[in-house]
Amino acid sequence: KNEVEQSPQNLTAQEGEFITINCSYSVGISALHWLQQHPGGGIVSLFMLSSGKKKHGRLIATINIQEKHSSLHITASHPRDSAVYICAVIKGETSGSRLTFGEGTQLTVNP
Amino acid sequence: GAGVSQSPSNKVTEKGKDVELRCDPISGHTALYWYRQSLGQGLEFLIYFQGNSAPDKSGLPSDRFSAERTGGSVSTLTIQRTQQEDSAVYLCASSSRPGRALGEQFFGPGTRLTVL
Repeated sequence: KNEVEQSPQNLTAQEGEFITINCSYSVGISALHWLQQHPGGGIVSLFMLSSGKKKHGRLIATINIQEKHSSLHITASHPRDSAVYICAVIKGETSGSRLTFGEGTQLTVNP
Repeated sequence: GAGVSQSPSNKVTEKGKDVELRCDPISGHTALYWYRQSLGQGLEFLIYFQGNSAPDKSGLPSDRFSAERTGGSVSTLTIQRTQQEDSAVYLCASSSRPGRALGEQFFGPGTRLTVL
């Protein structure tokens, strides 16, 4: 069983829909990242969370440390949001901030 | 300002040859990470450098893989006697606040390695 699991693996939505991607983890963590990977491979860090909620534009990320669960929400989705969204954690016992990754969620937003 | 850069962007090599992949981190970032993304698989950690400390090599898949970071800046990942299973995108990331200070990581564009 992976230490970081995402759901769904694939998600197709219509433009304007509200989207939720979930991440569950089974290890103690010091922080959680949400990353976006566009076709072509470039990875951008969207959020880094250790508690609560963060918002950036149409993106919202939440984390519940007790339940070991995080969600990424996209409001008013747009075709340009189509990408792979990756949840990654910094395990509490590791030195440095090396990331342990989920398998990613492929999001396709149709016009 | 300049982000993390990697070179080459693409590398095709024959099985058994050695390859070197380069990463230039963001200036002033003390932490540098190498990750690998194999086709159809998720990202995996390879190695981590922090300042002058000994690197965390726990993610390197075999002794054919090595990395160095000169002068606390540029890093080179070397794969000796490449195998087809080494084909992947190799990603470098850097951070200004490593360890439990929870620094955000900035990723380079990656080097796509194909071993024929």
